[in-house]
Amino acid sequence: KQEVTQIPAALSVPEGENLVLNCSFTDSAIYNLQWFRQDPGKGLTSLLLIQSSQREQTSGRLNASLDKSSGRSTLYIAASQPGDSATYLCAVRSGGATNKLIFGTGTLLAVQP
Amino acid sequence: DGGITQSPKYLFRKEGQNVTLSCEQNLNHDAMYWYRQDPGQGLRLIYYSQIVNDFQKGDIAEGYSVSREKKESFPLTVTSAQKNPTAFYLCASTSTWTAGSSNQPQHFGDGTRLSIL
Repeated sequence: KQEVTQIPAALSVPEGENLVLNCSFTDSAIYNLQWFRQDPGKGLTSLLLIQSSQREQTSGRLNASLDKSSGRSTLYIAASQPGDSATYLCAVRSGGATNKLIFGTGTLLAVQP
Repeated sequence: DGGITQSPKYLFRKEGQNVTLSCEQNLNHDAMYWYRQDPGQGLRLIYYSQIVNDFQKGDIAEGYSVSREKKESFPLTVTSAQKNPTAFYLCASTSTWTAGSSNQPQHFGDGTRLSIL
């Protein structure tokens, strides 16, 4: 059974710092891995989707990497801003044709001005 | 703008009552999903539907029911059999999985927060 873990559960950094969020999964047979952002009381916003054949994806100040063999993904945020404060979730799509996602429990990020 | 609309934003349920959460999408997506989010537990899949008039149970379907009579709509009913309904409910949609489109992201609504009176 696929399990997804995110470390740390919470992170507080000063503005301008570069930071890395971690996601690990137990079954390397995945179709893709997706990173989401969730603001308090809101739904999820898709940030980046990495296909199983890819090693990384970039969007603006965000860079996500994927190492399937080791079951790990990282989300790198450059030059963090207070507006980046949110919960970041990763999710993997494993097997089958249903596009079911298995979510991690998230990392709560606070960027201090 | 295309998107997913969930209503209401807040909902209160009395003991023994069934309540229905609405989810509507205008993205022309075939597949729709319902998730439950509890603090510290991430999102868990309740039900999903890949086509109209068809749906499957997810990991925590007990105490819930759904229908999919229209492509755009996927309402979730929280029945009185669900003894711990207090949670944040999220609806999502995506294009149907086919070869070449297997890596479509899921799009989410803004959620409904359900509480017990």
